[in-house]
Amino acid sequence: GAVVSQHPSRVICKSGTSVKIECRSLDFQATTMFWYRQFPKQSLMLMATSNEGSKATYEQGVEKDKFLINHASLTLSTLTVTSAHPEDSSFYICSASGRGNQPQHFGDGTRLSIL
Amino acid sequence: EDQVTQSPEALRLQEGESSSLNCSYTVSGLRGLFWYRQDPGKGPEFLFTLYSAGEEKEKERLKATLTKKESFLHITAPKPEDSATYLCAVNRNNDMRFGAGTRLTVKP
Repeated sequence: GAVVSQHPSRVICKSGTSVKIECRSLDFQATTMFWYRQFPKQSLMLMATSNEGSKATYEQGVEKDKFLINHASLTLSTLTVTSAHPEDSSFYICSASGRGNQPQHFGDGTRLSIL
Repeated sequence: EDQVTQSPEALRLQEGESSSLNCSYTVSGLRGLFWYRQDPGKGPEFLFTLYSAGEEKEKERLKATLTKKESFLHITAPKPEDSATYLCAVNRNNDMRFGAGTRLTVKP
């Protein structure tokens, strides 16, 4: 089946640090990648959608200068949380899908904790 | 406004006690309904895609069905390892909207 790898799985860092999270599709070409944020016992909140080679489309209320997304190839997307603060602490999950109406396949998430 | 509502919010079953989870939706331009399983601290794992009313999909103890307004995930004779949060999502115009999920606990 389709495999999506997300790294790192956990990050603990000081306030003001920028953190980069990688999302890779290992066995298929991901024309579209998605970044979600999930709070405890809540569902997934879409942050942005990115297509390979294009600028990401951000959901309303998500700061594009705060959450930088790069989708440089058909197998890799990165999310950089710039100048992270404690309120940015959350579980971030990426997903990837191929062409057409394909299901999204998810990575295992990154637990970000800002001290 | 497009909405995806899952019920119940939480469900506790005894091992072997069959039940159903509900996902009701009001979405224009539905391009597929998806079921996922999510274990704590993990990303969602894809289970099924349903595209049209009347369609059914099965996988082991799970069976998903779809009507024009809702989908059911039937769990037959569940085991403790089926304990997880089950999410449904609808695809509309290439973006996915998720329900809040049903947290299923199966006691041995």
